[in-house]
Amino acid sequence: ILNVEQSPQSLHVQEGDSTNFTCSFPSSNFYALHWYRWETAKSPEALFVMTLNGDEKKKGRISATLNTKEGYSYLYIKGSQPEDSATYLCAFRASGAGSYQLTFGKGTKLSVIP
Amino acid sequence: EAQVTQNPRYLITVTGKKLTVTCSQNMNHEYMSWYRQDPGLGLRQIYYSMNVEVTDKGDVPEGYKVSRKEKRNFPLILESPSPNQTSLYFCASSLAGIYNEQFFGPGTRLTVL
Repeated sequence: ILNVEQSPQSLHVQEGDSTNFTCSFPSSNFYALHWYRWETAKSPEALFVMTLNGDEKKKGRISATLNTKEGYSYLYIKGSQPEDSATYLCAFRASGAGSYQLTFGKGTKLSVIP
Repeated sequence: EAQVTQNPRYLITVTGKKLTVTCSQNMNHEYMSWYRQDPGLGLRQIYYSMNVEVTDKGDVPEGYKVSRKEKRNFPLILESPSPNQTSLYFCASSLAGIYNEQFFGPGTRLTVL
């Protein structure tokens, strides 16, 4: 089983603050890195799929970067709003025979305080 | 509306009583997958299917079976459920190609007594 780590496990920020969190994954046999947003009592929803070293993707106030050589991805939220409160999951795909298997991290739970 | 549906959404059952959780998608996706979510453990993949009649084990397949006889359906079968299979289960689907995002169903909360 591949090791995908997310940190911090949880954090609380004030409305308007910017924040970021980390996903670490094996740097060898990288294929793709997914980010999902999971609100309480709902289903996970895709944010980004990242495939190339140096990739940077953006959706509104949320952006992500990817470093495949050192095995990490950052998710940034600019000017956090209460509706950003959710658990953010990253998921790693390895190359090779298991490339259709997706390994998730345990998530970072973000709470934005109004 | 494009969606992934699961049934039932909630189920309480007893040890050893066979059950099936259905999953259906209307997006003509080739890839489908089952996950379980347990506190402190994150989403763990049980089984996945790359197309009709093609399935493979994920990280935690023990105690589960799947089948993919039609493209739209991917049922999860628990032949003899045990209490350690009490969990929140998600079905997901995506287009073929490992770069595609997955669409998740609403989840099925299963309790095995």
